[in-house]
Amino acid sequence: EAQVTQNPRYLITVTGKKLTVTCSQNMNHEYMSWYRQDPGLGLRQIYYSMNVEVTDKGDVPEGYKVSRKEKRNFPLILESPSPNQTSLYFCASSSSGTVSYEQYFGPGTRLTVT
Amino acid sequence: AQSVTQLGSHVSVSEGALVLLRCNYSSSVPPYLFWYVQYPNQGLQLLLKYTTGATLVKGINGFEAEFKKSETSFHLTKPSAHMSDAAEYFCAVSAFGDMRFGAGTRLTVKP
Repeated sequence: EAQVTQNPRYLITVTGKKLTVTCSQNMNHEYMSWYRQDPGLGLRQIYYSMNVEVTDKGDVPEGYKVSRKEKRNFPLILESPSPNQTSLYFCASSSSGTVSYEQYFGPGTRLTVT
Repeated sequence: AQSVTQLGSHVSVSEGALVLLRCNYSSSVPPYLFWYVQYPNQGLQLLLKYTTGATLVKGINGFEAEFKKSETSFHLTKPSAHMSDAAEYFCAVSAFGDMRFGAGTRLTVKP
């Protein structure tokens, strides 16, 4: 089954404790991205990657890091989480072979930073 | 750069009534437009998309949307609401891989 998976689905952590949210897709997509969803703000892009070893900032990159060492994986790293990073996070992927770049989303990771 | 404005953060309709969710976009190039639906505790699922060609686009679950270039709009409609349509709906615009989302509209369906 074609899908984007994220782990963990739920995470409660404390300020300053480094964490990683994993994202993996099995569709051989070139393009992957991370979004955060906050009430009234919709989805805002954090980082995106056009292909392996190619990443770039989205609209809200502060406090986040990413890497793309393999085509299928795109982990999101919070090196020193803060309470304002409490949010719902989505990973998405798409194929550059489709001009519309229709994105396929993972199930989401709900992060709470206390 | 692209942007999307969804008019109305909450829309409430009665079961069987028309659903109309409004979306206006801004894009410097011909846009690709999308509607996604998010059910509680789930990710986003594509409802429909406009790329090129026919401006009336039909999607899943009886939804459709019409691309109106002159009005820069891509409103989502469904003739008869069902209880299962209660969800949050996001309009999105994409160009060259850069996808931007609206703030979302929460649809409530009353019995």
